Amino acid sequence: QTVVTQEPSFSVSPGGTVTLTCGLSSGSVSTSYYPSWYQQTPGQAPRTLIYNTNTRSSGVPDRFSGSILGNKAALTITGAQADDESDYYCVLSLTTGIWVFGGGTKLTVL
Amino acid sequence: QVQLVESGGGVVQPGRSLRLSCVASGFIFSNYGMHWVRQAPGKGLEWVAVIWFDGSDKYYADSVKGRFTISRDSSKRTLYLQMSSLRAEDTAVYYCARELNPYYFDSWGQGTLVTVSS
Repeated sequence: QTVVTQEPSFSVSPGGTVTLTCGLSSGSVSTSYYPSWYQQTPGQAPRTLIYNTNTRSSGVPDRFSGSILGNKAALTITGAQADDESDYYCVLSLTTGIWVFGGGTKLTVL
Repeated sequence: QVQLVESGGGVVQPGRSLRLSCVASGFIFSNYGMHWVRQAPGKGLEWVAVIWFDGSDKYYADSVKGRFTISRDSSKRTLYLQMSSLRAEDTAVYYCARELNPYYFDSWGQGTLVTVSS
């Protein structure tokens, strides 16, 4: 069974830059998996940040960007702010009708 | 604006059934694929099921295949998840989500909590 991997946790200083990644237990992530990224704070529904690898969802600040780095999808936050402290999830559309979420990354801003 | 409102959650005994609903508004429901995504307490998001915009195709995560059934009623703008043979590990907040092209979730409901416990 394919597993989508994310760093369990990450820390960034206010104003700093952090890159979260989204990989596969076997193989490489490519644009053909249409990676998307979601932000979630405790008790809230997820919020869509990035779709189709690098397209920002409406209203998402441009300090959030998506890309493919090596064999993984990546979410980069440039100029991190305190309210970026959240859980971040990627999801891949692996084949027709199958989506798989990564385990999520808990981002701390301190 | 797009709104998705889930309902039907609650406490249910192992082995029993439950049906969740998600009422959509603010968009043409019959034009979009719809998903269920769940989140166990303190855990990450897990994709559960998808139904095509016209109901012609449905897919499920292995963890629920054969036990859960996704359906939709466009006349009621409602998405359903019929859950049977429930297990403790099905305990989660269940979200419905709208799919946009290409293959991502752009709108989410607030979720409904299902607790499977004796």
